[in-house]
Amino acid sequence: ILNVEQSPQSLHVQEGDSTNFTCSFPSSNFYALHWYRWETAKSPEALFVMTLNGDEKKKGRISATLNTKEGYSYLYIKGSQPEDSATYLCAFINFNKFYFGSGTKLNVKP
Amino acid sequence: NAGVTQTPKFRVLKTGQSMTLLCAQDMNHEYMYWYRQDPGMGLRLIHYSVGEGTTAKGEVPDGYNVSRLKKQNFLLGLESAAPSQTSVYFCASSYTVGREESYNSPLHFGNGTRLTVT
Repeated sequence: ILNVEQSPQSLHVQEGDSTNFTCSFPSSNFYALHWYRWETAKSPEALFVMTLNGDEKKKGRISATLNTKEGYSYLYIKGSQPEDSATYLCAFINFNKFYFGSGTKLNVKP
Repeated sequence: NAGVTQTPKFRVLKTGQSMTLLCAQDMNHEYMYWYRQDPGMGLRLIHYSVGEGTTAKGEVPDGYNVSRLKKQNFLLGLESAAPSQTSVYFCASSYTVGREESYNSPLHFGNGTRLTVT
């Protein structure tokens, strides 16, 4: 069993604030790191697929970086909006398995 | 194009009863996974399959069996349900898994099955 940790567990921000959270994972046998967005009463949806050390991905106001040597990835949200409220999951891919962190629950207040 | 479909959506079982959860995908994906989601514990891998006719154990396989007789279907069975198996179960599938980005596609999830064992 591989340990994937996310911090913080939860985050409450005001609309317009920028925020970031962390995913830590083992630095050996790295295949890929995925980020997913999980809204209440829905199923997780993929945000980013990252494979290369130093990778940076961006989708609108959301971006992510990857450091495979030290085993961490950051997810950034610029100018948070209430519709960004969700749980953000990271998944470490090792061989054929996806190991998920327990997620960061983001609540954006209008 | 329905994506990943799980049935049933809800189920209540008594201890000792058996049931099968069905996952069907219409995206021609090779890889299929069953996860359980419990409060504060994230998604934990139960079993997975890398192709038709193959299955393998994940992190928490005890008390569950799986079968992948057809590429599009992945069945999760509980032979004798226990209260500890009360959870939300998610099926997911992926086209490819690998080190290169071109071989690395994201998981597509079903909508989940909420199972309560009394």
